[in-house]
Amino acid sequence: GAGVSQTPSNKVTEKGKYVELRCDPISGHTALYWYRQSLGQGPEFLIYFQGTGAADDSGLPNDRFFAVRPEGSVSTLKIQRTERGDSAVYLCASSFPNDNEQFFGPGTRLTVL
Amino acid sequence: DAKTTQPTSMDCAEGRAANLPCNHSTISGNEYVYWYRQIHSQGPQYIIHGLKNNETNEMASLIITEDRKSSTLILPHATLRDTAVYYCIKSSHNAGNMLTFGGGTRLMVKP
Repeated sequence: GAGVSQTPSNKVTEKGKYVELRCDPISGHTALYWYRQSLGQGPEFLIYFQGTGAADDSGLPNDRFFAVRPEGSVSTLKIQRTERGDSAVYLCASSFPNDNEQFFGPGTRLTVL
Repeated sequence: DAKTTQPTSMDCAEGRAANLPCNHSTISGNEYVYWYRQIHSQGPQYIIHGLKNNETNEMASLIITEDRKSSTLILPHATLRDTAVYYCIKSSHNAGNMLTFGGGTRLMVKP
């Protein structure tokens, strides 16, 4: 079947603007993760959903970042009042409930000017 | 919780075996060793994982030392398409345990 998809693939915005990044996980995967990857570094965990609820949001850097998964499938990462330091590739991954083999999407490259 | 330790970069000749080491001396009893790789401009891709025993699949082999403090990922016949950053991660097996990526090893396969 289809893998994890993310839209848009690229997003350019201006400092202070609001952005939404979307993730479509693999069908049947109840676990969903968001990571952020800065240039030259490994991905860093942001938030984990099990079903509709955020089970672990300890990686969110501050309250400008928020994520939802209202129906337990598609998830949206929302960033308010974007800053230049938010520029990174935002990766989404999903997995089966009792498995930690995570399947990653291609990422959304966010550039804040 | 300390991350794993990997060499920053390695080269390998095409067709030869690539042996990528990883140190995870702080691994706890319920943690597995996972390997992922990330080809340029793509998301990370799962390769293999193991707990105690050596593991093999169609992509690679994983050799874990008896004390579980280190492991080696083996790509038996490296190709140019295996050029990527390889991440060694320790994590428990249940969903919900985020993957803590270090810097990884940048493997360059050369013709």
